[in-house]
Amino acid sequence: DVKVTQSSRYLVKRTGEKVFLECVQDMDHENMFWYRQDPGLGLRLIYFSYDVKMKEKGDIPEGYSVSREKKERFSLILESASTNQTSMYLCASSLSWTRDYGYTFGSGTRLTVV
Amino acid sequence: SQQGEEDPQALSIQEGENATMNCSYKTSINNLQWYRQNSGRGLVHLILIRSNEREKHSGRLRVTLDTSKKSSSLLITASRAADTASYFCATDRLTGGGNKLTFGTGTQLKVEL
Repeated sequence: DVKVTQSSRYLVKRTGEKVFLECVQDMDHENMFWYRQDPGLGLRLIYFSYDVKMKEKGDIPEGYSVSREKKERFSLILESASTNQTSMYLCASSLSWTRDYGYTFGSGTRLTVV
Repeated sequence: SQQGEEDPQALSIQEGENATMNCSYKTSINNLQWYRQNSGRGLVHLILIRSNEREKHSGRLRVTLDTSKKSSSLLITASRAADTASYFCATDRLTGGGNKLTFGTGTQLKVEL
C-alpha cells in the first residue's frame, strides 16, 4: 500500500525552538506539499516542491522553510517556533506536475508551541 | 483566500439516508476533487472530476460539476455510520501552476444509527 509517512503524530515545542517536521513518501511522486489546517480556515498551502531541490512558496510561507534533498523526503522547518504556529500540519504528495492527479496525504502532525 | 466553500458546514442524517454537500468556487478550474477526513487524521482522496465533465460516479459517490455556476455537489447514497467524517472540495486552478490544490473549509457529516 502506498504511503506518506509523517515522523510524529504529536509534538510539543517551546517558543523560539527550531522545529523539523519530516515527511517521506514511497510512491516515487514528483510533487510534495505542506499544508497547515486550522479550525474555520481549512487547509492552507505553506510550501510545495515539484522536484528535488526545488521549492516554491504557497499561500502562507512566512515563518517556514523547506528542504527537499531527496525525492522521497520533504521537510518543513519552523526557524523559530511561535505560538501562532500551533496547528495540524499535513504533508501530501502527487504523481507529477501533469494535472489530474489526486493527492496522497500523511496522517498529520499536531504541533503545539508553548 | 479560500477558493472552495462548502455548504452546509455541518450535516446530520440517519443511516441509510442520502447526504448531499455543495462546493462553490471563484475562478476557472482544471479539475475539482473531493476528499474525506476522519477525525484528527489525514485526508483521503475520493474522486476527481475534470472541467469538461458534468457528472462522475464511484461506488456510492456521485459528483456533479457545473462550471457555469462554479459549483459542485457530492452525493453519498445509502449512508453508513462509517461515512461520518469531514468532506472537503479542492480545486486545481487554471492559473498558478499545475496540480496545486486549494481546499475549502469542509462539511462535517455525522451519520447516526
